[in-house]
Amino acid sequence: QLQLQESGPGLVKPSETLSLTCTVSGGSIGSSNYYWGWIRQPPGKGLEWIGSMFYSGNTYYNPSLKSRVTISVDMSKNQFSLKLTSVTAADTAVYYCAREERFLYYMDVWGKGTTVTVSS
Amino acid sequence: QSALTQPASVSGSPGQSITISCTGTSSDIGGFNYVSWYQQPPGKAPKLIIYFVTKRPSGVSNRFSGSKSGNTASLTISGLQPEDEADYYCTSYTSSITYVFGAGTKVTVL
Repeated sequence: QLQLQESGPGLVKPSETLSLTCTVSGGSIGSSNYYWGWIRQPPGKGLEWIGSMFYSGNTYYNPSLKSRVTISVDMSKNQFSLKLTSVTAADTAVYYCAREERFLYYMDVWGKGTTVTVSS
Repeated sequence: QSALTQPASVSGSPGQSITISCTGTSSDIGGFNYVSWYQQPPGKAPKLIIYFVTKRPSGVSNRFSGSKSGNTASLTISGLQPEDEADYYCTSYTSSITYVFGAGTKVTVL
């Protein structure tokens, strides 16, 4: 059974870079049928898609975050990562990683989420 | 890209049916059948309940059903049960090769 687990610092200072990793177990990140993505949810608010990547390295980002976001893959560790630069308090959120079905475009497996707070 | 429009809250009594609407544009819902719905209980991760407008993943109750007309998609929960209390989000693939979520609907079982 495929499982995703987010990890990374729970506290980031303003203007610094938020870095998270998603570890995939029970399946290969190199599958040609899926993208791998990040979604976030600010406290008390709705879900926001951040971006996705294919194992080959192709990436797709939310236009509102594109200038600050990088998603990358480490095939050897079966992991993919999120970097968000120049963070502010508005980036405080629960961050989820998810598997995205490539042909019918839906997110079928989600991690449990990790809370990131931006504060000095 | 603007968020899809959902009602903030919908309520119903046990056994009743409720419908949640999700309105977008011709660049997302109206242009593709790639509409999916997610259930998020308080403090938990979202769970896929509908994809490709009407399809249910294995293990999801057949009390959940989806439909679409023009730029509006809908989720219907039949035979409402207490465990259906949660937030529900729609999402659509878009012509910009991105996803857009709805703002979410809180379902209350009276």
